[in-house]
Amino acid sequence: QLQLQESGPGLVKPSETLSLTCTVSGGSISSSSYYWGWIRQPPGKGLEWIGSIYYSGSTYYNPSLKSRVTISVDTSKNQFSLKLSSVTAADTAVYYCARLRPPGVVIRWGQGTLVTVSS
Amino acid sequence: EIVLTQSPGTLSLSPGERATLSCRASQSVSSSYLAWYQQKPGQAPRLLIYGASSRATGIPDRFSGSGSGTDFTLTISRLEPEDFAVYYCQQYGSSLTFGPGTKVDIK
Repeated sequence: QLQLQESGPGLVKPSETLSLTCTVSGGSISSSSYYWGWIRQPPGKGLEWIGSIYYSGSTYYNPSLKSRVTISVDTSKNQFSLKLSSVTAADTAVYYCARLRPPGVVIRWGQGTLVTVSS
Repeated sequence: EIVLTQSPGTLSLSPGERATLSCRASQSVSSSYLAWYQQKPGQAPRLLIYGASSRATGIPDRFSGSGSGTDFTLTISRLEPEDFAVYYCQQYGSSLTFGPGTKVDIK
């Protein structure tokens, strides 16, 4: 069964860049039937889509975050990654990686990883 | 951007009762591209319904979705103890946005 696992620092300083990687196991990231994304959830709050990527490298970003977000894919490692620049305390959240079925149903979620922005 | 509003914010019910959750969109959701997710504390969300009314794999038939355009509903016909959770709607017809959630708690 396909699994997704987030990894990366749990603490990031303000103004720095948050970097997370999602490792996909039990299935290929190169499937044309799905695409891959990042969704976050501030503590005690709701869900926010950050962006998505196809294995080909085509990306789609939340307009409200687009200027700070980069999502990339490494098919050789079956991984995709998130970079969010110039972070502030408002970026503190649980970050989920996910598999999506076009045009945008989230059919599988990682367990999530808490990233805290603090000096 | 399509903004989703969910009501009520909290629904207090007893096991065995019927739950009706509402999701309203600020503009029409194309092709009924509306999904519902369940989230329990400390867990990732789980897909329940997609395409407004199609149940995801393994979802019990006590969960049903309906609606089109701007008004959508998730119904849980008889609440089981494991159904007390937060429910989110999501539209994926124009970018992706989530509603703020409805918490279903035990009365």
